Amino acid sequence: QVQLVESGGGLVRPGGSLRLSCAASGFTFTDYFMSWIRQAPGKGLEWISYIGERSDILYYADSVKGRFTISRDNSKNSLYLQMNSLRAEDTAIYYCATLRYSSIDYWGQGTLVTVSS
Amino acid sequence: DVVMTQSPLSLPVTLGQPASISCRSSQSLAHSDGNTYLSWFQQRPGQSPRRLIYQVSNRDSGVPDRFSGSGSGTDFTLEISRVEAEDVGVYYCMQGTHWPQLTFGGGSKVEIK
Repeated sequence: QVQLVESGGGLVRPGGSLRLSCAASGFTFTDYFMSWIRQAPGKGLEWISYIGERSDILYYADSVKGRFTISRDNSKNSLYLQMNSLRAEDTAIYYCATLRYSSIDYWGQGTLVTVSS
Repeated sequence: DVVMTQSPLSLPVTLGQPASISCRSSQSLAHSDGNTYLSWFQQRPGQSPRRLIYQVSNRDSGVPDRFSGSGSGTDFTLEISRVEAEDVGVYYCMQGTHWPQLTFGGGSKVEIK
């Protein structure tokens, strides 16, 4: 069955960096766009980034553009999110998700990122 | 940017009664390829979201048939024919027609009276 397992979350100070990873299994990774979606505590869902099957298409929401970098390693069935210059408003659960036919098929369980001094 | 507006924000429902959630988009979600990319997601308390409906009215595998989606253009509806306790949670619509900026609605919370 499809599994998306995020890791790398934690507590970081404002201005710091963090790298999230997502290990995918149970499907053909190279058939899917992959995305990161976040959810601030008690709030709704926000797309922040997605990446094409061959890393040829990249998208960033304005809220993270210039600070976050999405990447993937198809040889390892893995998705990454490098987060720099973190701010308090980046505090959220970060979900890894598949994106195909303009919808999200599968979600990971999420990893919590807390930005606080 | 396409704005997705859901209503109501909160929906108290009696067990066994129907529930209906509206989702309106600021632009038509009809794509030039003939499809309309509107999806619905359920997020139970403490869980990740899961998709219920894609392309307006197609139920995902394993989704009970009490869930149905309808609509066109800018107006869409998710209906639960008879609410069960396990349906408690927040429901989100999402548009996938207007790339690159894919957007979610703000969410509608279903709770039991």
